[in-house]
Amino acid sequence: GQSLEQPSEVTAVEGAIVQINCTYQTSGFYGLSWYQQHDGGAPTFLSYNALDGLEETGRFSSFLSRSDSYGYLLLQELQMKDSASYFCAVSPYGGATNKLIFGTGTLLAVQP
Amino acid sequence: DVKVTQSSRYLVKRTGEKVFLECVQDMDHENMFWYRQDPGLGLRLIYFSYDVKMKEKGDIPEGYSVSREKKERFSLILESASTNQTSMYLCASSPGQSPSGLHFGNGTRLTVT
Repeated sequence: GQSLEQPSEVTAVEGAIVQINCTYQTSGFYGLSWYQQHDGGAPTFLSYNALDGLEETGRFSSFLSRSDSYGYLLLQELQMKDSASYFCAVSPYGGATNKLIFGTGTLLAVQP
Repeated sequence: DVKVTQSSRYLVKRTGEKVFLECVQDMDHENMFWYRQDPGLGLRLIYFSYDVKMKEKGDIPEGYSVSREKKERFSLILESASTNQTSMYLCASSPGQSPSGLHFGNGTRLTVT
């Protein structure tokens, strides 16, 4: 089976850096994705790590260590609009666009 | 931009009713998915489809069925709605292989009374 663990809530101040961790246990593994969901909105794709290491996209970076079954999303220069839920997801079948198993999500609150 | 459209934003149905949730995508994606989202449980996969007329069960298929007669449309059917199916339902689509992830619709909030 598969399970993913994330902190339920994280609070940070504007301009700070925050890291949201994700640990997983899966019978198969082909990559770790991250999604952002604002309250009342649709989840939107942020990043995908197929290999170990750091992937950077603007203020957001995502890291994967397959040997540790661990990844994280790093948000820099936090802005109020970053307040949202963030979900990690693993792909047991391959790629970022096939069947995904999602974590329970981390609610990020950015304070002024 | 990819657009995934769910037919209703809010639905209220009675216990025992047959409910249809419709989803249409406009980017010729092979893959389509139905998830439900509940507080504290994240997104859980109900069914997915890799091609027209093909479907596979996800993690929580009980009480649901799906139909994909055309590539752009994926329907979720609740044969006999129950109160424990009150939830937010999210449809998503994706191309066969791409680094761009799943594209989600805005969701349908279903209340079964």
